[in-house]
Amino acid sequence: EVQLVESGGGLVQPGGSLRLSCAASGFIFGNYWMNWVRQAPGKGLEWVSRIRTDGNITSCADSVKGRFTISRDNAKSTLYLKMNSLRAEDTAVYYCTRGWGFDYWGQGTLVIVSS
Amino acid sequence: QSALTQPASVSGSPGQSITISCAGTSSDVGGYNYVSWYQQHPGRAPKLMIYDVNDRPSGVSNRFSGSKSGNTASLTISGLQAEDEADYYCSSYATSNTYVFGTGTKVTVL
Repeated sequence: EVQLVESGGGLVQPGGSLRLSCAASGFIFGNYWMNWVRQAPGKGLEWVSRIRTDGNITSCADSVKGRFTISRDNAKSTLYLKMNSLRAEDTAVYYCTRGWGFDYWGQGTLVIVSS
Repeated sequence: QSALTQPASVSGSPGQSITISCAGTSSDVGGYNYVSWYQQHPGRAPKLMIYDVNDRPSGVSNRFSGSKSGNTASLTISGLQAEDEADYYCSSYATSNTYVFGTGTKVTVL
């Protein structure tokens, strides 16, 4: 059974940093592109970033460019999102998703940016 | 990276068919056959319903179907059921190796 389990969310002050993790199981992690998608409270979905199978190609939304970095460790079947210079508007549930069609989603981890 | 445009709400009676539109540009919906649709119930993670414009994942009811014409994609739900009441989002691959989601549509079963 495919499982994606996010962790690392929490309350952080504006300007602070967090690193999210997504532990994958039930499939060959290294064979899939992976993504981060977020959803602000009461709002719609927003694609954040994606990474190729080998980690050598990444892309991200303009809203997080220069602040967020996606990475992966295929040996540990884990996806990461390092978030720096956090702003109030980054407050959201962050989901990791699999592949080109986002066919599996984790349960999400909540990030709150507030003083 | 502007969001794709969806109607805020669509409603229908049980058994009826409804269609949700997803309007984009030639840089996303119109340029690639990588349009997907997701269903999200309150407090839950989104669930993939349609991928690659009109393919259904295993386990998804054939009452859900997708299509695309030009820069606009559509999701049709036939034989509407109470359990279909949820938020629906489209997404599309876009230029520069990015993705974009739609604004979301709340489906109400009357």
